[in-house]
Amino acid sequence: AQSVAQPEDQVNVAEGNPLTVKCTYSVSGNPYLFWYVQYPNRGLQFLLKYITGDNLVKGSYGFEAEFNKSQTSFHLKKPSALVSDSALYFCAVSSNTGFQKLVFGTGTRLLVSP
Amino acid sequence: EAGVAQSPRYKIIEKRQSVAFWCNPISGHATLYWYQQILGQGPKLLIQFQNNGVVDDSQLPKDRFSAERLKGVDSTLKIQPAKLEDSAVYLCASSQTGQPNQPQHFGDGTRLSIL
Repeated sequence: AQSVAQPEDQVNVAEGNPLTVKCTYSVSGNPYLFWYVQYPNRGLQFLLKYITGDNLVKGSYGFEAEFNKSQTSFHLKKPSALVSDSALYFCAVSSNTGFQKLVFGTGTRLLVSP
Repeated sequence: EAGVAQSPRYKIIEKRQSVAFWCNPISGHATLYWYQQILGQGPKLLIQFQNNGVVDDSQLPKDRFSAERLKGVDSTLKIQPAKLEDSAVYLCASSQTGQPNQPQHFGDGTRLSIL
């Protein structure tokens, strides 16, 4: 069975500083990994994905994520945080066979202070 | 392109009443998903359609929840009768073909409150 762990309920960072939101996963076979962002009273918005290839994946709004197979991790990063990045971030995993079935983590709230 | 449309945005009902949610996916998307997002949790898949057929409904409480996508386009999710624990946001999402490497596109959801 697939699972995702986001160990931090909340991450606090000052504007301009780098940010990291952690994610570890468990899946049979090779994983497909996704990050989504959710703003208040809105649906989830796709940020980036890892399918295969380069372990560093670049996505929307300056976000990137690093896939580490040995540590089964897929941490979300951004070199310089903006106040507008404050939102709820979800990591999700799917196996690479059959129809996509995403399993989401519990989410991490990112709070960027001015 | 127009996004995933959902209605209503908010719904308040009393327990044991029935309620229905509507979703119109992005045009041309074959795969449609319904998720339940309880406060403080990640979305949980309830049911997945491929065109008008059900691919996965293993987590749908079938004694009270039902869903259909009759013409392979828009979809309706129904709860009858509602329980207090059904209070949640119900999200609809779609993807082009349902292949595991594709991102899903989400609507803004319906927030359901059960009194």
